[in-house]
Amino acid sequence: QLQLQESGPGLVKPSETLSLTCAVSGGSISSSHYHWAWIRQPPGKGLEWIGSIYYSGTTYYNASLKSRVIISVDTSKNQFSLKVTSVTAADTAVYYCASLHGGGNYFDFWGQGTLVTVSS
Amino acid sequence: EIVLTQSPGTLSLSPGERATLSCRAGQSVSSSYVAWYQQKVGQAPRLLIYGAFSRATGIPDRFSGSGSGTDFTLTISRLEPEDFAVYYCQYDGAFGQGTKVEI
Repeated sequence: QLQLQESGPGLVKPSETLSLTCAVSGGSISSSHYHWAWIRQPPGKGLEWIGSIYYSGTTYYNASLKSRVIISVDTSKNQFSLKVTSVTAADTAVYYCASLHGGGNYFDFWGQGTLVTVSS
Repeated sequence: EIVLTQSPGTLSLSPGERATLSCRAGQSVSSSYVAWYQQKVGQAPRLLIYGAFSRATGIPDRFSGSGSGTDFTLTISRLEPEDFAVYYCQYDGAFGQGTKVEI
């Protein structure tokens, strides 16, 4: 069973870049069985898909965030990462990493989530 | 872009009762890619149903999914105390806004 754990700064200043990492255990990040995703949830609100990276390296991003987001994989560390540039208070949220089941496009394993606050 | 609308926003029920949650898509979608999640306060979402009908590993059989086209339903046959939570439907990169099941 996969386990995922997010890490990164809990506080980011406006206009700066938010950077998070998701460490994967219980499976290889380069396996063709898995794909990877980031999802966020503003305080008291619903879930928002940020983007996904497939085994092939192909990335897909939410159109509303596409110009500011990069998702990448580091196979040597068995982890994947999220960068969001030019952040504002609207980017304050709990950020989750998850595994994406490619056959059904659903998120089967989730990290516990990490709160990122954008404030000066 | 697919928009998913869940109803009702809040469902007030008692343990032992049946819960019926609705998820409506803005256009016809493939049931193969409809999923449901449960989220309790302070926790990450948990996959309940995938492919509209299939229960995820370890999910009790009181949870069931149905539907096709634009209308999908999550049914909890007999509510247990631990089932009071927020439920989200998902299709591709879209999530519904959630239904809160409260006592």
